[in-house]
Amino acid sequence: DVKVTQSSRYLVKRTGEKVFLECVQDMDHENMFWYRQDPGLGLRLIYFSYDVKMKEKGDIPEGYSVSREKKERFSLILESASTNQTSMYLCASSLPGSGANVLTFGAGSRLTVL
Amino acid sequence: AQSVTQLDSQVPVFEEAPVELRCNYSSSVSVYLFWYVQYPNQGLQLLLKYLSGSTLVESINGFEAEFNKSQTSFHLRKPSVHISDTAEYFCAVRNNNAGNMLTFGGGTRLMVKP
Repeated sequence: DVKVTQSSRYLVKRTGEKVFLECVQDMDHENMFWYRQDPGLGLRLIYFSYDVKMKEKGDIPEGYSVSREKKERFSLILESASTNQTSMYLCASSLPGSGANVLTFGAGSRLTVL
Repeated sequence: AQSVTQLDSQVPVFEEAPVELRCNYSSSVSVYLFWYVQYPNQGLQLLLKYLSGSTLVESINGFEAEFNKSQTSFHLRKPSVHISDTAEYFCAVRNNNAGNMLTFGGGTRLMVKP
C-alpha cells in the first residue's frame, strides 16, 4: 500500500522554538506538498516541490521554509514558531503531469505553539 | 485565480437519508474538479474527479458529482448515506494560474446520525 508518513502526529512547542516537520513517501513521486488545515479555511498550500532541491512558494509561505535533499523526503521548517502557526499540517505527494492533482496525503501533524 | 466555495460547513443527516454537499467554483477557463474525503484521524483521500467527458462522475462507494458549467457547480450527492460516511469533504479545483496546483474549499463536515 502506498504511503505518506509524517514523523510526528502531535507536537507542542514554545514560541520562538525551531520546529521541523518531516514527511517521507515511498511511491517514488516527484511532487511533494505541505498544506496547513484550519477550520473553515480548508487546506492552504505552504510550499511544494517538483524535484529534489527544487521548491516553490504556495499561497502562505511566510514564516516557513522547506528542504528536499532526497526524492522521498520533504521537510517543513518553522524557524521561529509563533502562536498563529498552531494548526494541522498535511504533507502530500503526487506524480507529475496528468497525475499531479491526484494527491496522496499523510495523516497529518497537529502542532500547538504555546 | 480560481476559488472554491463550500456553502455548508456542517451537514447533519440521518442514516439512509439522501445528502447533497454543495460546491461552487470561480473560473473562466476549463476546469478540473475534485472531491477529497477526510475520515476521522486520517489524511485526505481522493473521492472522485472530473477532468473531461461525461459531466456525471461516480465513486466506488456510491457518491456522485455533476459538473454544471452554467452554474459553476460541482455538488456531491449520495442517495442513501451510512454511518461510515461521517467525514469531512473537500471540494477542489485545479488552479491554472498557480502552476496547476489545487485550490481547496473550506470543507463540509458530514455527520450521519443513526
